[in-house]
This record gives sequence, C-alpha cells and structure tokens, in this order.
Amino acid sequence: DQQVKQNSPSLSVQEGRISILNCDYTNSMFDYFLWYKKYPAEGPTFLISISSIKDKNEDGRFTVFLNKSAKHLSLHIVPSQPGDSAVYFCAAKRQGDYGGSQGNLIFGKGTKLSVKP
Amino acid sequence: EAQVTQNPRYLITVTGKKLTVTCSQNMNHEYMSWYRQDPGLGLRQIYYSMNVEVTDKGDVPEGYKVSRKEKRNFPLILESPSPNQTSLYFCASRGRYSNQPQHFGDGTRLSIL
Repeated sequence: DQQVKQNSPSLSVQEGRISILNCDYTNSMFDYFLWYKKYPAEGPTFLISISSIKDKNEDGRFTVFLNKSAKHLSLHIVPSQPGDSAVYFCAAKRQGDYGGSQGNLIFGKGTKLSVKP
Repeated sequence: EAQVTQNPRYLITVTGKKLTVTCSQNMNHEYMSWYRQDPGLGLRQIYYSMNVEVTDKGDVPEGYKVSRKEKRNFPLILESPSPNQTSLYFCASRGRYSNQPQHFGDGTRLSIL
C-alpha cells in the first residue's frame, strides 16, 4: 500500500510561471515531510522540509504547504526557471516508534518537472 | 567537501556472481541507508543503519546484506544477484537526529544478466 502518493508523473510549465507539485499521504503518524530534487545521473538533493506542526515553510523561490486535515502537501516554485527541470520526490518521516525505524523516510514515486524557456 | 561516495557507478554482471557496492561518507553521520529506484516505483529503502554494528531491514531487504563495521562505510552486498535486482541504487546518510535531511550519493546502476 502506497503511503506517499505523487499522482502526477509529469508537469510542464512555462518559464516565469508558478510550478505546483502535489503529494498526498495516508499515514497520520507522519510528522515531517521533505522534498528532494533529482537531476539525471545524480543523487537526490534535499530541497525543503516542513514539520507537521506548521502549515507553510518558505525558502526563496520554494514554498511548501501542508494541509494535515486533507493529508496533502504541495511544493510551489515561483518563478519557475529552466534549471528547475528535474524529478521531484516527496518524502515523509514517521514519528518515533518501537522497533528502531525512527527517522526512516517513505518516498513518493516522483514528478518530472519540465520548465520550458 | 561533504559527500557520500558510491562505487562502482555502473556495473553489468551475471546472475549468481557475488558483488559489493561500497558507500562511504565523510560527514561523521550516524545514520546510513540504501535505496533502490525503479521506474514507476520511486525510492524504496533496502536496509538502514543507526550506527556502527546496528543495522535493520527496510521495505525491500530480500536478496541483500549490509554491514556497518566502521562509521563511515556501509557496503551493500548481493550474495547471489538475480535479474530482478537490476536497478539504480542510492546510498544516503544523515546525522543522529531524524529531522535532519539525508545526503545521497550519485547512484550505482546495476544490470544483472
């Protein structure tokens, strides 16, 4: 059962416009969410995160919004640039639980963003 | 430069021939983890380690082994590789606190014929 879902495999946006990448989750025990960006032939790199006690976190052009009641988060990129073209992974972390799996991340399948000049 | 280094980056081998993918980090991180990435499936955790001599299974551990004898190294071992282990593998590390983001290596593409 997929606990972190990115339902859009791809997204195409014009340079300068807003990119909105969506992520849904099913497990109410998730307490921390992260976005990673991945270029071809490279490993994922951390982009931005948000704790479940917040509903928004901003870092430059990147903003993550969390709607806990809907179990939904989104990443906004404004303005989008061609260099933002990459695969974006949403990830969620479970609260500490018995068994030592605290801190393990569950990843979505990714959304490929293409920003056209 | 802070980094996670995986070797080899690419490997083509045959079924049943034991192989090891090495992973080394220079950030003195306690936590290390292995993932595989497959088309349409995203990143799935294979094994993780909270510290030296402490390892545990992730979501897809079958067919893999790991060891953590030193803090900086976390090799992934395929004792008898099979074609369904053909995949892109990533090693990652982070500090002791679970809200710290993980740093990933650049990946190892394995093809098992």
